[in-house]
Amino acid sequence: DAKTTQPPSMDCAEGRAANLPCNHSTISGNEYVYWYRQIHSQGPQYIIHGLKNNETNEMASLIITEDRKSSTLILPHATLRDTAVYYCIVGALWGSSNTGKLIFGQGTTLQVKP
Amino acid sequence: DTGVSQDPRHKITKRGQNVTFRCDPISEHNRLYWYRQTLGQGPEFLTYFQNEAQLEKSRLLSDRFSAERPKGSFSTLEIQRTEQGDSAMYLCASSSWGTSGGTYNEQFFGPGTRLTVL
Repeated sequence: DAKTTQPPSMDCAEGRAANLPCNHSTISGNEYVYWYRQIHSQGPQYIIHGLKNNETNEMASLIITEDRKSSTLILPHATLRDTAVYYCIVGALWGSSNTGKLIFGQGTTLQVKP
Repeated sequence: DTGVSQDPRHKITKRGQNVTFRCDPISEHNRLYWYRQTLGQGPEFLTYFQNEAQLEKSRLLSDRFSAERPKGSFSTLEIQRTEQGDSAMYLCASSSWGTSGGTYNEQFFGPGTRLTVL
C-alpha cells in the first residue's frame, strides 16, 4: 500500500504557483520523497525527489518539512500543460538489493485553468 | 525519439483469448518494469527484470500472466485466457539501475497499452 496521502483534486489559475501537498507521516529515515506526474493518456513522468533538504530543478521545487512527515511540490508558474495527476511516492529506491518498484497512491488531479 | 515504446497502443479482445504486449526500453537501461493501471487508480507494480532475469513478481500477477525479457532487451507480457477484470492500461518503464554511483535512477515510462476485454 502507498505510504502517502494526497488531496484527490486541486485547481490552479494559469500563471500562478501550484502547491501540491503530501503527507507521509510513517516515512523512514532512509526513504526519499519522489514526485511523478501523469498527463492524460501518457505514462508517468519523473519530476523531482528529495531526502530532507529542499530541492529545485527546471520543473519544480520540493519543500520537505523538518520532521519529514509532509512535503509540498511547487510548480512556480503553472501552465495549461501542467494539468495532470501528480503522485507523491516514498521509498528507498536505490541499492543493489532494492527492486526500485514504485508504489503509487491515487495522486492529486491538478486542473490548471485559464 | 529514443524513449520507451510499447506495442500495440490499444488492444480489444474477447474473453478467453490470449494477448501479448511488447515493450522496447531505452537501449542502455538494464531494468525493465511492468505496471497495470485501472481507471482512476495509480499504476500497480506487476513485475520487473534486471537484464534478462525476472527478479520479482507481484501477487497481482496470476498464473495466466507471463513476462519475458530475452537477451535483456525488449520484453513481452502475455495474458492467457483473458478475463474482463484484465481490462486496464499496461505500462512499461525502464531505468539504468546502479549505473549512477548509487543515486536514484528515475524510471522512464512508455505510453502504455490499453487492453479492453469484451
